[in-house]
Amino acid sequence: NAGVMQNPRHLVRRRGQEARLRCSPMKGHSHVYWYRQLPEEGLKFMVYLQKENIIDESGMPKERFSAEFPKEGPSILRIQQVVRGDSAAYFCASSPALQAGNTIYFGEGSWLTVV
Amino acid sequence: AQTVTQSQPEMSVQEAETVTLSCTYDTSENNYYLFWYKQPPSRQMILVIRQEAYKQQNATENRFSVNFQKAAKSFSLKISDSQLGDTAMYFCAFYSLYNQGGKLIFGQGTELSVKP
Repeated sequence: NAGVMQNPRHLVRRRGQEARLRCSPMKGHSHVYWYRQLPEEGLKFMVYLQKENIIDESGMPKERFSAEFPKEGPSILRIQQVVRGDSAAYFCASSPALQAGNTIYFGEGSWLTVV
Repeated sequence: AQTVTQSQPEMSVQEAETVTLSCTYDTSENNYYLFWYKQPPSRQMILVIRQEAYKQQNATENRFSVNFQKAAKSFSLKISDSQLGDTAMYFCAFYSLYNQGGKLIFGQGTELSVKP
């Protein structure tokens, strides 16, 4: 049973380009979460999605960032017109359902470097 | 708003000894979950242990155990018989049953070094 799969693991973008990060949840998991980890900091919640729905995007920056989880295919975190401050590790996590006690499992992260 | 505080940025321990990492949190809710995650140099986030707030018994997973003090809002992690592979960043995290979405709230982390 494969875990949460993220790709690419490492991505380098020039300022102003777009970054797309993909996440395939664990088999049987319908809930996906994105977290960002800036250097030397803990993880900060960005967005929570179910299939075709954004449930909570309270941690997403208001501009340039968007996320989706289509009916088919992986969840995508998209960052437009990247800036140096977007350089961070982006972690995807998944869980089976929003029920008491369900544990959230993390992927290995995608490292974005903006040059 | 819930907050999680880890007051020890760095700690070290000799191999085979015991170390305790501290974590405190702030919430007005009564039902919630607490977690410890480990982030080794590979940077993967690995679940170490979790505790349900409604359970009085402290959770234990092999060499890892917690001291959960609900009234004091304290959730420390004890690692017994420390091994070199325990070297990692450790994050304490809070999850509320009433919080919409899987909004785990993380502490700042404690970097643990196990020395041979």
